[in-house]
Amino acid sequence: SQQGEEDPQALSIQEGENATMNCSYKTSINNLQWYRQNSGRGLVHLILIRSNEREKHSGRLRVTLDTSKKSSSLLITASRAADTASYFCATEPGGNQFYFGTGTSLTVIP
Amino acid sequence: ETGVTQSPTHLIKTRGQQVTLRCSSQSGHNTVSWYQQALGQGPQFIFQYYREEENGRGNFPPRFSGLQFPNYSSELNVNALELDDSALYLCASSLRSGGKETQYFGPGTRLLVL
Repeated sequence: SQQGEEDPQALSIQEGENATMNCSYKTSINNLQWYRQNSGRGLVHLILIRSNEREKHSGRLRVTLDTSKKSSSLLITASRAADTASYFCATEPGGNQFYFGTGTSLTVIP
Repeated sequence: ETGVTQSPTHLIKTRGQQVTLRCSSQSGHNTVSWYQQALGQGPQFIFQYYREEENGRGNFPPRFSGLQFPNYSSELNVNALELDDSALYLCASSLRSGGKETQYFGPGTRLLVL
């Protein structure tokens, strides 16, 4: 079974709005990463947050991590049509294994 | 853009056959991971190779095997193909560095088993 679960499964917003997606996981982790995937192609790394960090920013992206609740959120501000993609969280609980969630499909309407 | 390439891009096989998928990692990356992604699902971790040895494995049977070569290339081999093996197979290379490992993904090989 997959370690992470993203919520919502699908999200549709207007260009310029903010998009928030959440990830929950099951076991303790070393770090959590967010990836983006366009149309069933390769994944692109967006941001990594370590287990001892609570918040991280990268451009229009803001990631939070709450290890007590085993959850993370990804906020994309001022969304653009080009942000349309699937977004996945990935956790590394240790043991050189990586677990991806089921993904959130984001559609940004121009 | 990631410097990771995979071949072939698409492949059609029949049940029971064997397949070899190839990946070329970023130069200098000592770690490669392979994932299986079924349609509409997230990637599932198959295994990881570090310095040419298997170094972590997900819940996949032994008919999934791999090799990593010194020239930053690697292979995923699948024997006795089953219909459920139809998926996008992704490789990701990384440089292991104290728990801050960022994986760089290739574009994937889409395998269809008939």
